[in-house]
Amino acid sequence: QVQLQESGPGLVKPSQTLSLTCTVSGGSISSGSYYWSWIRQPAGKGLEWIGRIYTSGSTNYNPSLKSRVTISVDTSKNQFSLKLSSVTAADTAVYYCARGNYYDSSGYYLDYFDYWGQGTLVTVSS
Amino acid sequence: DIQMTQSPSSLSASVGDRVTITCQASQDISNYLNWYQQKPGKAPKLLIYDASNLETGVPSRFSGSGSGTDFTFTISSLQPEDIATYYCQQYDNLPGFGPGTKVDIK
Repeated sequence: QVQLQESGPGLVKPSQTLSLTCTVSGGSISSGSYYWSWIRQPAGKGLEWIGRIYTSGSTNYNPSLKSRVTISVDTSKNQFSLKLSSVTAADTAVYYCARGNYYDSSGYYLDYFDYWGQGTLVTVSS
Repeated sequence: DIQMTQSPSSLSASVGDRVTITCQASQDISNYLNWYQQKPGKAPKLLIYDASNLETGVPSRFSGSGSGTDFTFTISSLQPEDIATYYCQQYDNLPGFGPGTKVDIK
């Protein structure tokens, strides 16, 4: 059973960089047709996809956050990480890591988030 | 950029009622749509993938349909444990979520 667990500071000062790590257990982060994503949710609001990293190392980011986001992977530790720079109070949210499961063959394409971490609250405040 | 809308934003229904939520995409996304259930304080859970495929272990009272720009999510007989917020999510290009529909018991 795959499990994901977020870790990192729960409080970040404005203008600083938010850094979170997601540790994957129950399977190798570098095997299979998967990518690894970060998704956030401000209190009482909806889900916002932040970005993803494939096992190849290629990344995609939400255009609204692209200039501030970096996602990286450490296969030796079975972890992937999020860095969000120049944070403001608007970045206060529960941050989830999730596994993207995709299948692409002969014009048939599937892509969904099948495993999620429990989420970690990050507050941006001085 | 594909925009997703959902309606209604919230609803109240009685146990046993049929509940329907609609999701609309701003452009044709074929059947590249998933549905998730999120209970308070919990991570979202995948219910439906590829617009109409039931995820393993999900009760059969949940179903999805649609393609192109218009999609429907249905709970055939609402149960107390179905109280949650439901989100559609497109994957035509970069992933994106709808705003959610909160379902309560009347």
